[in-house]
Amino acid sequence: AQSVTQLGSHVSVSEGALVLLRCNYSSSVPPYLFWYVQYPNQGLQLLLKYTSAATLVKGINGFEAEFKKSETSFHLTKPSAHMSDAAEYFCAKKGQNFVFGPGTRLSVLP
Amino acid sequence: DGGITQSPKYLFRKEGQNVTLSCEQNLNHDAMYWYRQDPGQGLRLIYYSQIVNDFQKGDIAEGYSVSREKKESFPLTVTSAQKNPTAFYLCASSMPGGGRQPQHFGDGTRLSIL
Repeated sequence: AQSVTQLGSHVSVSEGALVLLRCNYSSSVPPYLFWYVQYPNQGLQLLLKYTSAATLVKGINGFEAEFKKSETSFHLTKPSAHMSDAAEYFCAKKGQNFVFGPGTRLSVLP
Repeated sequence: DGGITQSPKYLFRKEGQNVTLSCEQNLNHDAMYWYRQDPGQGLRLIYYSQIVNDFQKGDIAEGYSVSREKKESFPLTVTSAQKNPTAFYLCASSMPGGGRQPQHFGDGTRLSIL
């Protein structure tokens, strides 16, 4: 069963607009959660991680994510999109092993 | 700088041929992983190894084999039994410390069929 879901396989925003990428997880215990970014033909780079400390996690490149236990969500946001943010984004959960969501491709329009 | 090196970046396989993808890390990580990435399907775990000389099957191990003779190296062989090998293959590693530790990734190998 899919335990990490990402709503929207493709999201388009205008440059300067808010970026919101959604991630929901299923877990019987508090999870460790991660967001990764992938540029074409490259590996995944860690953006940020939630490890049960602060619920609002700040990452690199101006991204942040908020852990909401009641909603089993870990959505990724950035106040103002930049052209360089165009990439694929993966949410992941660490249980016995890492489980990755299917990814969301972000396009940034000029 | 420490990191994970995957080679080659592009690889072509003929019918009936086995091919081996290389993964080397100098991060001193104990755990290493192989994933297969297909469009729209995210990453699927092929094999993983928590320690030298030990490895476990992931979700899609059929048609693949691995070895872990050295801490730094975790090569993946795509055998002729894997009937649909065309994909992007990613190697990753992580430190011990349970779930808090993220995975670090190489830049991948793209395998295609001739």
